[in-house]
Amino acid sequence: ETGVTQTPRHLVMGMTNKKSLKCEQHLGHNAMYWYKQSAKKPLELMFVYNFKEQTENNSVPSRFSPECPNSSHLFLHLHTLQPEDSALYLCASSQDPGQRSQPQHFGDGTRLSIL
Amino acid sequence: SQQGEEDPQALSIQEGENATMNCSYKTSINNLQWYRQNSGRGLVHLILIRSNEREKHSGRLRVTLDTSKKSSSLLITASRAADTASYFCATDPYSGAGSYQLTFGKGTKLSVIP
Repeated sequence: ETGVTQTPRHLVMGMTNKKSLKCEQHLGHNAMYWYKQSAKKPLELMFVYNFKEQTENNSVPSRFSPECPNSSHLFLHLHTLQPEDSALYLCASSQDPGQRSQPQHFGDGTRLSIL
Repeated sequence: SQQGEEDPQALSIQEGENATMNCSYKTSINNLQWYRQNSGRGLVHLILIRSNEREKHSGRLRVTLDTSKKSSSLLITASRAADTASYFCATDPYSGAGSYQLTFGKGTKLSVIP
């Protein structure tokens, strides 16, 4: 149990569907992150939220739309995805975004498959 | 852009042997972290070593950092089948932008054979 819960664990969707991934952390952390993990590629940072405010958007296509209603919850809204978007999407949190040297705590991810 | 790169990409050893994985990076860093990922699971933080530290231990794990060579190594002693996983190094390079981003390598896939 890492303290970071992601739902659903698996998601299969068509290219025209709209779905959302959910992440919840029970650690009292103030920073949350979305990562994409594809086979044979390094982990890619997508979005960073510090105290509910988005501070990083690493050139992610607009078909991915993040939402952070509070410091404990993070969503990734998906719309009109492409086959190359099939991947494992990982959520992570860390305690204080102002402190550079901190571990991140990861959820177990959502395995997304685009048909 | 990729900052850390692990070597080897895959490693297979017998239970009880030691496993050594290496990580090289390109720019100056604040710290370097190692993570483990079991199949189908998220990443788990193992150890963090700061740029002014040269060696750190945690249980059966030993991490070294050589900032002059921009490299780090992770040693797992007396390996167990449960150590089978992928291992990633992550660096926190100076960005100058005030934000905190970890950049990960592609990982080393370790198989420990019982």
